[in-house]
Amino acid sequence: GAVVSQHPSWVICKSGTSVKIECRSLDFQATTMFWYRQFPKQSLMLMATSNEGSKATYEQGVEKDKFLINHASLTLSTLTVTSAHPEDSSFYICSARDGVGAQETQYFGPGTRLLVL
Amino acid sequence: AQTVTQSQPEMSVQEAETVTLSCTYDTSESDYYLFWYKQPPSRQMILVIRQEAYKQQNATENRFSVNFQKAAKSFSLKISDSQLGDAAMYFCAYSRTSGTYKYIFGTGTRLKVLA
Repeated sequence: GAVVSQHPSWVICKSGTSVKIECRSLDFQATTMFWYRQFPKQSLMLMATSNEGSKATYEQGVEKDKFLINHASLTLSTLTVTSAHPEDSSFYICSARDGVGAQETQYFGPGTRLLVL
Repeated sequence: AQTVTQSQPEMSVQEAETVTLSCTYDTSESDYYLFWYKQPPSRQMILVIRQEAYKQQNATENRFSVNFQKAAKSFSLKISDSQLGDAAMYFCAYSRTSGTYKYIFGTGTRLKVLA
């Protein structure tokens, strides 16, 4: 099956610093990737849709200058949390879209746990 | 706007028994996709089963099957012969068949499997 990796799996940083999270589709090319945020015991909240070669589309209420997304290739999307603050601490998950038409499915990375001190 | 509702925050099932998780959704589209994802304690989201709305036949994957009732906008997941490894959060998701293909997730159901 399709495999998506994320790096790092967890990160601790100081308030005010920036953190970059990578999402890679390992065995398929993904023109579209998605970034989610998940709070403890809650569902996934879509932050943005990342399209290869174009600007990301952010969901309402998500600050695009705070969460920078770059989808530079068909296998890599990055999420940079700029000037991180403790309220940005969360579990971030990416997914990559594979398949066409009726076979279209999102495959998820293992997630990145971010703790901002 | 489309919505997905999972009304059971938590369910329990005895090992080897059968359990059904409920999901309802709201949409004005006639064609769409529906999914069940499993999130175990590792938090890795795993696709369990998918259903295309234009297909009347219910999808099955080994011990997992769905009861898709399009008119009622209901998409329940049945797990047969439950195993300890089935314990996880289960999320129902909806996707349009065009546009951004983004998912709309339900709030999840935590399934406990009792030995």
